[in-house]
Amino acid sequence: NAGVMQNPRHLVRRRGQEARLRCSPMKGHSHVYWYRQLPEEGLKFMVYLQKENIIDESGMPKERFSAEFPKEGPSILRIQQVVRGDSAAYFCASSPTGTSGFPYEQYFGPGTRLTVT
Amino acid sequence: KQEVTQIPAALSVPEGENLVLNCSFTDSAIYNLQWFRQDPGKGLTSLLLIQSSQREQTSGRLNASLDKSSGRSTLYIAASQPGDSATYLCAVENFNKFYFGSGTKLNVKP
Repeated sequence: NAGVMQNPRHLVRRRGQEARLRCSPMKGHSHVYWYRQLPEEGLKFMVYLQKENIIDESGMPKERFSAEFPKEGPSILRIQQVVRGDSAAYFCASSPTGTSGFPYEQYFGPGTRLTVT
Repeated sequence: KQEVTQIPAALSVPEGENLVLNCSFTDSAIYNLQWFRQDPGKGLTSLLLIQSSQREQTSGRLNASLDKSSGRSTLYIAASQPGDSATYLCAVENFNKFYFGSGTKLNVKP
């Protein structure tokens, strides 16, 4: 069972361009989370998705950011018209559903490091 | 809103010492607590998961305890080694969301 996969690992974009970050959860995992980590800071929750549904996007900026987890294919975090302040590491995590019906242990991908020039 | 605090923010110890990392959280209605390790420029590696009904978990030289009522967890590392140098993060799960502390940056000196 391959781990959580993220690509690209490094992404450089100029101000105003779009950034697309991909996350393939572990097989059998239906819960996907996106986090942002600024240099020397902790992880900040952005969005929680299940297949075809956004469950909680309270941590995501209202403008320029969007996320999806389609029925087929990876989860996508999309940042439009990037600015320098978007430079960060973006991590995806996936969880199976526990016996309680809620997400269980999180498994993290290696992250995508976005640099905006 | 759940808030997770980790103390100390940084810790430097000589090799061989036993050490304790602390994690506290404000809302005791958690489902799970998970400890992670993060190496510089890398992703997070899960170390231990404690379910809300459990009090501790052990893996090798690591032991994590959970006291839900007081909102605390500790990660005990026995006989520390230079390879243990990393940032250690704790995360609690409330109602489908995971809240992370800012981490403890550990440096084990040879």
